[in-house]
Amino acid sequence: EAGVAQSPRYKIIEKRQSVAFWCNPISGHATLYWYQQILGQGPKLLIQFQNNGVVDDSQLPKDRFSAERLKGVDSTLKIQPAKLEDSAVYLCASRPRGWRGRSSYNEQFFGPGTRLTVL
Amino acid sequence: TQLLEQSPQFLSIQEGENLTVYCNSSSVFSSLQWYRQEPGEGPVLLVTVVTGGEVKKLKRLTFQFGDARKDSSLHITAAQPGDTGLYLCAGVRNRDDKIIFGKGTRLHILP
Repeated sequence: EAGVAQSPRYKIIEKRQSVAFWCNPISGHATLYWYQQILGQGPKLLIQFQNNGVVDDSQLPKDRFSAERLKGVDSTLKIQPAKLEDSAVYLCASRPRGWRGRSSYNEQFFGPGTRLTVL
Repeated sequence: TQLLEQSPQFLSIQEGENLTVYCNSSSVFSSLQWYRQEPGEGPVLLVTVVTGGEVKKLKRLTFQFGDARKDSSLHITAAQPGDTGLYLCAGVRNRDDKIIFGKGTRLHILP
């Protein structure tokens, strides 16, 4: 089974530029997450999708970040314009169960991440 | 607000020694997961604990879920250089099903 795919793996941009990341989750996984992981910290949830609907975007800086998941499969995360503090690894994860699934396992499968450096 | 506190943040020990990493919270979790993350990679799930008091073993790694489902520990016996990495705990919060990550413990095993 193929894992979660992300691209690009690395991106260097200057502040105030725009950038987009792409994620292809594991086939059949209904739930998709975007996380931001700043160096030395754990992942911080930015947005959670259930199929193509947003479940939780409470920590997404909506003035500059946007995300979409058309057709409930692939997803893109965009930053416009980027700031220095956006330098981080952006992780995508998917999960097979529904948001309020009956099971408590909630295992997530992570992609390799995109390392963004804003100069 | 950090809802899941991990300790220690950093740990550097000699090969062969034992160690314990802790994950604590005031929230109750329906399950708790431990991940290991290596540089340039995403986190990889090691184990999920669900029942209060549950103990799971994965070779030299022993995971325990607290009786009240608010805390967990990871114990490594006879650490090896291959255990080096960032260890993350993540709790599925009981009241809203949200997954909360700790800041992680960066472990370095010296040969």
